[in-house]
Amino acid sequence: GDSVTQMEGPVTLSEEAFLTINCTYTATGYPSLFWYVQYPGEGLQLLLKATKADDKGSNKGFEATYRKETTSFHLEKGSVQVSDSAVYFCALSDQNAGNMLTFGGGTRLMVKP
Amino acid sequence: KAGVTQTPRYLIKTRGQQVTLSCSPISGHRSVSWYQQTPGQGLQFLFEYFSETQRNKGNFPGRFSGRQFSNSRSEMNVSTLELGDSALYLCASSFPPGPSYEQYFGPGTRLTVT
Repeated sequence: GDSVTQMEGPVTLSEEAFLTINCTYTATGYPSLFWYVQYPGEGLQLLLKATKADDKGSNKGFEATYRKETTSFHLEKGSVQVSDSAVYFCALSDQNAGNMLTFGGGTRLMVKP
Repeated sequence: KAGVTQTPRYLIKTRGQQVTLSCSPISGHRSVSWYQQTPGQGLQFLFEYFSETQRNKGNFPGRFSGRQFSNSRSEMNVSTLELGDSALYLCASSFPPGPSYEQYFGPGTRLTVT
């Protein structure tokens, strides 16, 4: 079945540091890929998405590129802020599975001033 | 536009009891999905409803059930609660169902089983 693997956290960075959170996936079809963010006490918010190979999703300074050849969708940001501290989830949705999202385990990011 | 609302936000139940959680999707959204979030298992898909029909179901026991009403509001029910059912239950809605479309999540219902 489909699966998503992302780097374990926590990831601790200083403000303005460069962020990379690795995400790789296994899927039988041609999935759409997503990054969601969860702030403390809240639900999930979609951060960015990509629906086909070589697409780049971007939002709020975050970006990720759909790499079919390496089955990866790594999240990057050039300069993190304290307000970016949250848990980040990589997810996929397979065209054969309706709306079902398969999530990675989540990566907690802590940004220190 | 109001977001996805879930009620109640917090719930404490005793083993063996049953519980019903409610989700109101964004106005105009007809697809509702439910997820369970626990520290050990992460985020797991429970089921998805579209136009009052269950379209997809995750790998959960029959104690977990759901339904959707004609106004797209959805409820999920857990019978004979177990300690392991303690979790954050998240609901998500989207307008057309489909892997490319954004799903909007509610804040969740925190269920504690004692």
